[in-house]
Amino acid sequence: EIVLTQSPGTLSLSPGERATLSCRASQSVSSSYLAWYQQKPGQAPRLLIYGASSRATGIPDRFSGSGSGTDFTLTISRLEPEDFAVYYCQQGLFTFGPGTKVDIK
Amino acid sequence: QITLKESGPTLVKPTQTLTLTCTFSGFSLSTSGVGVGWIRQPPGKALEWLALIYWDDDKRYSPSLKSRLTITKDTSKNQVVLTMTNMDPVDTATYYCAHVGYGCADYWGQGTLVTVSS
Repeated sequence: EIVLTQSPGTLSLSPGERATLSCRASQSVSSSYLAWYQQKPGQAPRLLIYGASSRATGIPDRFSGSGSGTDFTLTISRLEPEDFAVYYCQQGLFTFGPGTKVDIK
Repeated sequence: QITLKESGPTLVKPTQTLTLTCTFSGFSLSTSGVGVGWIRQPPGKALEWLALIYWDDDKRYSPSLKSRLTITKDTSKNQVVLTMTNMDPVDTATYYCAHVGYGCADYWGQGTLVTVSS
């Protein structure tokens, strides 16, 4: 069973700063099935990135994904106020990471 | 426009069986490659996949919950039904259904909170 670890658990940043979120798998995984989601309080998650680096429909280009093998990264180039949320990575069909909370410093 | 909506009881008693229905529009579950999945989220905790059904009736279940879950589809009604047996207070969560494409959940329902309590 593949386990996903996300770091840091919480990232405290200011609007305009760059956010770098990590997702590490316990064994090598296919990039084709690595996704990132954003979730705000009281809302359903929203797909941001699929296939490790492809942006979902309507996702701003300040969001980018990269990585392969066991190490994947979600980067938000310049944080907007609406980007403060929890971010989850997902591998395959049945594995989510524990999430990274991005909050306002 | 793809939309999904979950429906079912908001309160179930321990040991009871939970039945949730996902009613969707904007796509057909008879289209090759399409799937509908169920994901849950206990209050304040992370997401957890439960089950997934594909257009060809291929069904996948979370290994840890497989013995308790059944997922079915009614293509004519645009519905997917999830049943979970032997409910326990730890199963209290918001339950989401989602359209699955490219191996991920690209459209989500609003979710429904299910509380397990006597």
